[in-house]
Amino acid sequence: SQQGEEDPQALSIQEGENATMNCSYKTSINNLQWYRQNSGRGLVHLILIRSNEREKHSGRLRVTLDTSKKSSSLLITASRAADTASYFCATDGGTSYGKLTFGQGTILTVHP
Amino acid sequence: GAGVSQSPRYKVAKRGQDVALRCDPISGHVSLFWYQQALGQGPEFLTYFQNEAQLDKSGLPSDRFFAERPEGSVSTLKIQRTQQEDSAVYLCASSLDSQGDQPQHFGDGTRLSIL
Repeated sequence: SQQGEEDPQALSIQEGENATMNCSYKTSINNLQWYRQNSGRGLVHLILIRSNEREKHSGRLRVTLDTSKKSSSLLITASRAADTASYFCATDGGTSYGKLTFGQGTILTVHP
Repeated sequence: GAGVSQSPRYKVAKRGQDVALRCDPISGHVSLFWYQQALGQGPEFLTYFQNEAQLDKSGLPSDRFFAERPEGSVSTLKIQRTQQEDSAVYLCASSLDSQGDQPQHFGDGTRLSIL
């Protein structure tokens, strides 16, 4: 069963706009990760944020983590058509070896 | 290539047949994971190997599912007496160590269709 809930389930924007996706989870975590999946392909790791971190940046990506609310958000700035993909958050559920529990994902469509 | 490789990319089998799915992780990666992804859903954990040891198989749906990694490198996921509900994409991922704070590197998956 899926632990996380992501919203929105689908997001459609124009190139150049920002995209924000949210994730909630239920158990304690060591870290939370975001992955991207293009249609018919495997998942690509985007960013990892540890439970003692509140915000992390990587290029056009900004991730926040609020452990008190058990929630995270992924912001993609200045989106491009190539950002069109499904985005998943994943938590390790506090396991020592990184067993991931994924949300249902957000389908992002960026129109050129 | 240097990534995780899975074969076959597509597998069609008749209900009741046995199938074997192969995963070649990134060389030197200690941890190997198998996930099952249904259409429109996120991946769900099946099993975890640290080198050749299968330390967690809590996600395997039934005793028809079996995984091995005998030499701590290549892994095989076997499904016996396949059923229609086994139709899904099976993803393999590896990570550098067993500390749980490394990204997982995914293969492109095997899309299994049971007729």
